[in-house]
Amino acid sequence: QLQLQESGPGLVKPSETLSLTCTVSGGSIGSSNYYWGWIRQPPGKGLEWIGTIYYSGTTHYNPSLKSRVTISVDTSKNQFSLNLNSVTAADTAVYYCARRGPSGSPYFDYWGQGTLVTVSS
Amino acid sequence: QSALTQPASVSGSPGQSITIPCTGTSSDVGGYNYVSWYQQHPGKAPKLMIYEVSYRPSGVSNRFAGSKSGNTASLTISGLQAEDEADYYCSSYASSSTLIFGVGTKLTVL
Repeated sequence: QLQLQESGPGLVKPSETLSLTCTVSGGSIGSSNYYWGWIRQPPGKGLEWIGTIYYSGTTHYNPSLKSRVTISVDTSKNQFSLNLNSVTAADTAVYYCARRGPSGSPYFDYWGQGTLVTVSS
Repeated sequence: QSALTQPASVSGSPGQSITIPCTGTSSDVGGYNYVSWYQQHPGKAPKLMIYEVSYRPSGVSNRFAGSKSGNTASLTISGLQAEDEADYYCSSYASSSTLIFGVGTKLTVL
């Protein structure tokens, strides 16, 4: 059974960089025909797609976040990561990592449990 | 990229059917057969209920059905049960490999 687990600091200061890692178990990022993605949800609000990455390193980002986001992959550790720089209170959210459907199909079929990141001094 | 439009809330009694609409544009919902639906219970991660407009993942009840007409997709839940009470989000492909979510609908089972 595929499992995804987010990890990283729960508190980030304004203007700094938010960094999260998603560890995948029960399947290999490097040998599968899937994209992997990040989605966030501010408290009490809806879902927002952040971006996705293929094991080869190909990325796609939400245009509204593109200037501040970097998603990377480490196939040797079966992990992919999110960096969001110059954060503000508006970036406070639960951050989810997820697997996108086969061959880039635009839906997410496996999700991590999510991790709350608060931006505050 | 603007969020897809959904009603803030819908409600129904046990056993009834409800439909949640999701309205976009010809650049997202209307342009591709790539609409998906997610169920989210409080404090939990979203769960995929429908993909590619009308397909159900293995394990999802056949009480959940998806459809699309023009720029509006719909999720219909028949035979409402108490455990269906949750937030529901639609999502669509929106060109250049980007994705967009709906604003979400809170389903209350009366």
